[in-house]
Amino acid sequence: SAVISQKPSRDICQRGTSLTIQCQVDSQVTMMFWYRQQPGQSLTLIATANQGSEATYESGFVIDKFPISRPNLTFSTLTVSNMSPEDSSIYLCSVALGQNYGYTFGSGTRLTVV
Amino acid sequence: DAKTTQPPSMDCAEGRAANLPCNHSTISGNEYVYWYRQIHSQGPQYIIHGLKNNETNEMASLIITEDRKSSTLILPHATLRDTAVYYCIVQGRDFNKFYFGSGTKLNVKP
Repeated sequence: SAVISQKPSRDICQRGTSLTIQCQVDSQVTMMFWYRQQPGQSLTLIATANQGSEATYESGFVIDKFPISRPNLTFSTLTVSNMSPEDSSIYLCSVALGQNYGYTFGSGTRLTVV
Repeated sequence: DAKTTQPPSMDCAEGRAANLPCNHSTISGNEYVYWYRQIHSQGPQYIIHGLKNNETNEMASLIITEDRKSSTLILPHATLRDTAVYYCIVQGRDFNKFYFGSGTKLNVKP
């Protein structure tokens, strides 16, 4: 399985600012995924990030709010823009290693917006 | 994409088997059933997956009914460290997305 390093692990941010979350994988992967987990809730898929193409966003998520970069096969960033308290969540990245190998998740970024 | 239904919570005595059910009545023939767990807001951890046959690994066993409309995750000897939210997921049509349901909160008690 892959090892994912996610930074920062937590942050407290002022409303109206932006935060960029980094996801580094120890092996090359085609697809990376970003999830949001609001307090007490399950995980919600934000978008899928493929290297060399635009990210694909799920319903309810837009690029202006959650721009994603995928410059190579081992790295991706998610930016939470113009934050409000409603953006306070855990944000997780994930990679898929193939149907028979499951998915690996990072440890998450706990974001608090004040 | 097939949806899953799980009980919101279950209790289990330490040392006993924990049997977590999942309904996925709309599953397609080429979709897998995956189980993950999340301990105290850490990243979800892969447990096991299967297509048709029952599967077993060092963590758990997965029993899939013959019609594939439901499955059961079995933790043979639950410990306090198994207290977590357990998610049953059916792999999406494009085989590259995971959609999480609400999961089952398993409480293992001494």
